[in-house]
Amino acid sequence: KAGVTQTPRYLIKTRGQQVTLSCSPISGHRSVSWYQQTPGQGLQFLFEYFSETQRNKGNFPGRFSGRQFSNSRSEMNVSTLELGDSALYLCASRPLGSRVSTDTQYFGPGTRLTVL
Amino acid sequence: SQELEQSPQSLIVQEGKNLTINCTSSKTLYGLYWYKQKYGEGLIFLMMLQKGGEEKSHEKITAKLDEKKQQSSLHITASQPSHAGIYLCGADSLDSNYQLIWGAGTKLIIKP
Repeated sequence: KAGVTQTPRYLIKTRGQQVTLSCSPISGHRSVSWYQQTPGQGLQFLFEYFSETQRNKGNFPGRFSGRQFSNSRSEMNVSTLELGDSALYLCASRPLGSRVSTDTQYFGPGTRLTVL
Repeated sequence: SQELEQSPQSLIVQEGKNLTINCTSSKTLYGLYWYKQKYGEGLIFLMMLQKGGEEKSHEKITAKLDEKKQQSSLHITASQPSHAGIYLCGADSLDSNYQLIWGAGTKLIIKP
């Protein structure tokens, strides 16, 4: 089975621009979560999608948004980029993604975003 | 809200030595996950623990969930350079059905 894939792997943008990141989960996984990782803040939860619905959202401004398609692929978008948005953005997928199922979350390699 | 605390924050160990990393939760752990991350890369799943007293091993790495289910330890025996990286623990949040919470990570350096 192919793992979680993320595109692009690296991205350089300037302040004020917007960016879209893509994530393809493991086949059969319906839950996709997005995280932001920075040296100072660690792994921060952005949002989680299941069957095209956002089930949970972290404490990030509205500039951060996402969506999930019927094939479970997901995208996240950041508008009006700020310097502080420079980070590694990680996508992870799970079969069902609930505490009841306690299924394992598998991560993609990440997208390194640099905002200049 | 539930929090995970990892200790130590960083660790420098001579190659061949044993080491332990701890992950302590402010609430009962439902499902506890250990991951390893090489710098700038994605997280690699190591193992998952669910039952109190449960112990699992993967190569020279052993993880255990204590009986009270509020702490997990990760033990590496006879460390090797390939063990270097950042170890993170994650847990199913009791505050939300669909979210994992995370420790801050432990940076492990292996000295040859």
